[in-house]
Amino acid sequence: KQEVTQIPAALSVPEGENLVLNCSFTDSAIYNLQWFRQDPGKGLTSLLLIQSSQREQTSGRLNASLDKSSGRSTLYIAASQPGDSATYLCAVPSSGNTPLVFGKGTRLSVIA
Amino acid sequence: DGGITQSPKYLFRKEGQNVTLSCEQNLNHDAMYWYRQDPGQGLRLIYYSQIVNDFQKGDIAEGYSVSREKKESFPLTVTSAQKNPTAFYLCASKIAGDTGELFFGEGSRLTVL
Repeated sequence: KQEVTQIPAALSVPEGENLVLNCSFTDSAIYNLQWFRQDPGKGLTSLLLIQSSQREQTSGRLNASLDKSSGRSTLYIAASQPGDSATYLCAVPSSGNTPLVFGKGTRLSVIA
Repeated sequence: DGGITQSPKYLFRKEGQNVTLSCEQNLNHDAMYWYRQDPGQGLRLIYYSQIVNDFQKGDIAEGYSVSREKKESFPLTVTSAQKNPTAFYLCASKIAGDTGELFFGEGSRLTVL
C-alpha cells in the first residue's frame, strides 16, 4: 500500500530565504506526483503536476523535482514571501489510475 | 469560470441526523472524489467515481453513501452510522486516465452538535 511522508511537518523561515520541502513515497511505480497548497479553512490548490517521465516542473518561483527510483520529490521555493505561508501537500496515485494518496503536509510560515 | 462548487460551506448537525453535502463541477471531468480531512491526519479517501452510475469505496467509507447519477454531480451523504462525522470534507475531480491533474473544491465543514 502506497504511503507518503513529508518532512518537515512545520517550517518557519525569514522572508527572502530559499527553501526545500521534501516528499517521499514507498511505491515507486507511480504515474505522476502532484504538489498542492492549502490555506487555512480552504480547499487545495494545485501547484505542480510532474508526470513519471519528467524529472522536474517549474512554475514561477516554484520548482518540483521527481526521482522515481528513490521514491522522492522536492519542492523548491525561491525567494520566499509572507504570502507563501500555507500548508504544502504532495500526493501520488496508489497504483495506476487510482485515487491520490496524500502526505500530511508541511506547514510553512514565512516571517516578514 | 470552470470549477468545483461545494455547498454548504458550513453545516451543523444534531446527532442521529443524516446530512448531504453537494459537489458540482463544470469542468467536464469524468472522475470525482470525496476526501475527509482531520487535524494531524491528512486527507483520507471516502468514495470515488470514475464514471456515471458507478462508484467505489475508499479507505473510510463506513457511515457514508454517495450517488453519481449525473457526470457533473457527486453528492455525499453522512449518515447517522458515522461515529465521528465532525470534519472538513473536500470534493475533487479530474479527467479520466493516468495523467490528469486533480482539482479541489473549497470544502464543507461539518460540525455535529
